[in-house]
Amino acid sequence: SSELTQDPAVSVALGQTVRITCQGDSLRSYYASWYQQKPGQAPVLVIYGKNNRPSGIPDRFSGSSSGNTASLTITGAQAEDEADYYCNSRDSSGKGVFGTGTKVTVL
Amino acid sequence: QVQLQESGPGLVKPSGTLSLTCAVSGGSISSSNWWSWVRQPPGKGLEWIGEIYHSGSTNYNPSLKSRVTISVDKSKNQFSLKLSSVTAADTAVYYCARVGVGATYTNYYYYYMDVWGKGTTVTVSS
Repeated sequence: SSELTQDPAVSVALGQTVRITCQGDSLRSYYASWYQQKPGQAPVLVIYGKNNRPSGIPDRFSGSSSGNTASLTITGAQAEDEADYYCNSRDSSGKGVFGTGTKVTVL
Repeated sequence: QVQLQESGPGLVKPSGTLSLTCAVSGGSISSSNWWSWVRQPPGKGLEWIGEIYHSGSTNYNPSLKSRVTISVDKSKNQFSLKLSSVTAADTAVYYCARVGVGATYTNYYYYYMDVWGKGTTVTVSS
């Protein structure tokens, strides 16, 4: 299957750590990229490749991968991190695919 | 830095064709990037529509492939999306994005969209 599965929602206390996971067969060959999307805004790339952050993305965001599972970790979550997060990769047929999305609530 | 701007009609009639253009500024569409279209229906997640390379090579979402055409105009530094036979289910915010893709020395691949347009809302309604 070329689908990417994410937990629908997670919550984290302010300043604590939260991990968001993404599962799919394509992740055995592709690193997942991760996007943050706030209401009414376009997605923003936060992690790509093995564990790379674009310029301007805080270092509290990190990525990892094992087998068919990719993870995005927010260490020391801030109020502004409350958003929807999507993973993304390409499958073996060359088709792009997005994860189902995870809503992160910062308590 | 590279910026993307979507444009096109905000309202399309059912059974008609949705046509959008993404203008690329601050960089060349002939760079070593793919260029993609993504959409998001109201209250739902992101859906990958397809992508194009400046050579004209394309990849499409199989669920939309029979209705989608993505093309590139290097002279205008832009790429376009056409989606035919639209229904209300095609109502969404449509984004264009720049795609980075490649392989690492461990034969693991990477794929990401690092530049996005602001998005344009398309409503399918009579």
